[in-house]
Formats: sequence, C-alpha cells, structure tokens
Amino acid sequence: AQSVTQLGSHVSVSEGALVLLRCNYSSSVPPYLFWYVQYPNQGLQLLLKYTTGATLVKGINGFEAEFKKSETSFHLTKPSAHMSDAAEYFCAVSLSGGYNKLIFGAGTRLAVHP
Amino acid sequence: KAGVTQTPRYLIKTRGQQVTLSCSPISGHRSVSWYQQTPGQGLQFLFEYFSETQRNKGNFPGRFSGRQFSNSRSEMNVSTLELGDSALYLCASSPGQPSTDGYTFGSGTRLTVV
Repeated sequence: AQSVTQLGSHVSVSEGALVLLRCNYSSSVPPYLFWYVQYPNQGLQLLLKYTTGATLVKGINGFEAEFKKSETSFHLTKPSAHMSDAAEYFCAVSLSGGYNKLIFGAGTRLAVHP
Repeated sequence: KAGVTQTPRYLIKTRGQQVTLSCSPISGHRSVSWYQQTPGQGLQFLFEYFSETQRNKGNFPGRFSGRQFSNSRSEMNVSTLELGDSALYLCASSPGQPSTDGYTFGSGTRLTVV
C-alpha cells in the first residue's frame, strides 16, 4: 500500500539558510508525488508535483524537489529561506487504479528565524 | 478565475446536532474531494465525487455523507455530531483525476463541536 513519511515534524532554519524538508514514500507502482504548503487558517496550496519525466521538479516560491527512485525519496529544498516561508508543508503520494486520491504525510512545520 | 469556495468558514455546533458544509469547485472541475484535518490524525480522506457519483470513500462512519450536484457543487453532512468531529474540513477540486492532476483546496470550514 502507498504511504508517505515526512522526517521531522518541526524544522527550524535561519533566514537565508537552506531549507530541506524530507519525504520518503512507499509505493508498489511508479508514484505521482506532490508537495503542498499550508499557511495558518488556510487550505493547502500546491507547490509542485512529479508525474513523469524530469526528476528535478521546480515549483513556486523558489522551491524544488528531486524524485529519487532508488532512495524512494522526494525531498523539498529551497536555497535561501525567507520569513514568509514559515508554514506547514505536506508531502503526498497519489493512489490510482480506482482509488484516485492523495495520501498525505503528517506534515513538517517550518520555522524561519531572523 | 475563482478558487474553491467553502462556506461557512467557521461553525459551532452542539453534540448530537447535524451540520452541512458546502463547497463550490473551480469552474470546469468535475471532481470534488473532502478531507478532515485534525492535529492528531492529520489529513484524512473522506470521499470523492465525480459527475454526481461518489467514486471513492474513506474509512469514516456512516454519519459522514456527501453529495454532488449537476453544477459540480458539493455538500457534506455530518449527523449526530460528536466532540471528536471537531476539525478543519477541506474541500478540494480537480479537473478529473486527482491522482494525476492533484487538488486545488479551499480554505476550509472549521467545525467546533461543544
């Protein structure tokens, strides 16, 4: 069965530092993978998604993620953190084949310090 | 282009009552999914509707139900409310296949059961 594990429920970085949020997935078939961001009292916003093709995916707000099949990982990175990046981030894997839904990880709360 | 609209934003209900939440998807999106978000359980899939038919259902009791209208608008209903139903309920729309298209989320309805 497909599942998602996000390592680290809380990550804290300094403004200008590298952001690295970890996501590992389990899937019996080639997965589709997503990263979403949630700001307080808001819904989730799509940052980026991997379907097929290039394994390095660029998203909005300077974020990118690399699909590594051998490591079953889809880590999210941003070279330089900004205060406005403080939010909760969710990795998700799709279920296809009749289930047609996304399974979300538990989320990682990112804090950015001046 | 209007986003996903959920009404109401906030709701306070008493145990034993029932509640109906509403969702208007992005124009042209035919798939509407509902998720429950709580601090303890994270994002849990409730159900998905496509062209007025429930296509997928999560592992929730029968007190949780939904429907979709011909204009793709969707409602979800929770009967005999319990304290544990307090959560943020998120509606998400997709053009057709959430597993490949991903979702666009609404801002959610925060339900508090007292």
